[in-house]
Amino acid sequence: QVQLQESGPGLVKPSETLSLTCTVSGGSISSYYWSWIRQPAGKGLEWIGRIYTSGSTNYNPSLKSRVTMSVDTSKNQFSLKLSSVTAADTAVYYCARDVYTAGIDPWGQGTLVTVSS
Amino acid sequence: DIQMTQSPSTLSASVGDRVTITCRASQSISSWLAWYQQKPGKAPKLLIYKASSLESGVPSRFSGSGSGTEFTLTISSLQPDDFATYYCQQYNSYSSFGGGTKVEIK
Repeated sequence: QVQLQESGPGLVKPSETLSLTCTVSGGSISSYYWSWIRQPAGKGLEWIGRIYTSGSTNYNPSLKSRVTMSVDTSKNQFSLKLSSVTAADTAVYYCARDVYTAGIDPWGQGTLVTVSS
Repeated sequence: DIQMTQSPSTLSASVGDRVTITCRASQSISSWLAWYQQKPGKAPKLLIYKASSLESGVPSRFSGSGSGTEFTLTISSLQPDDFATYYCQQYNSYSSFGGGTKVEIK
């Protein structure tokens, strides 16, 4: 079955750019939407955005000015960049497959990103 | 932006209880709503999509209903494995999640 794995630095300095990659295994990345969701410690889920394998994107309006997503179908990977980070961006970041009309499933295990100098 | 409001934020219940969680959308989302279960340190798990469709492999004690702006998740007979936090998610316009409902042992 499809599995997802997030990778990237666990520590990012304030004002810098957070970069994460999600590797999809057990199936093709093609013809699906792929989402990023984050969760600060002890808080709820926040949808960051999604990308289709064509490269078309939808972003959370509250983060849109700082978010860039991309996809590399040859590597079965998609990526997230979040610029000008602050401590408020500290969270567990999840990547997931967005089945669009049928919810988000499966999810990666999540990766903690801490913003600190 | 569509805001999703869940109630209650915390619910205390016993094994065998019938449990209902409510999710309200700030505008109509038709039936484009999903429910997730999350346990500590784990990724959320999809339970219900399109308001009332049960995800494959999810026990039949879970059910969802509603359309428009008001939705419910019902657990017909709470089991020990069901103590967790539950989130609703709308996907009518981009996506957004409710604040979560923690189901605790009474």
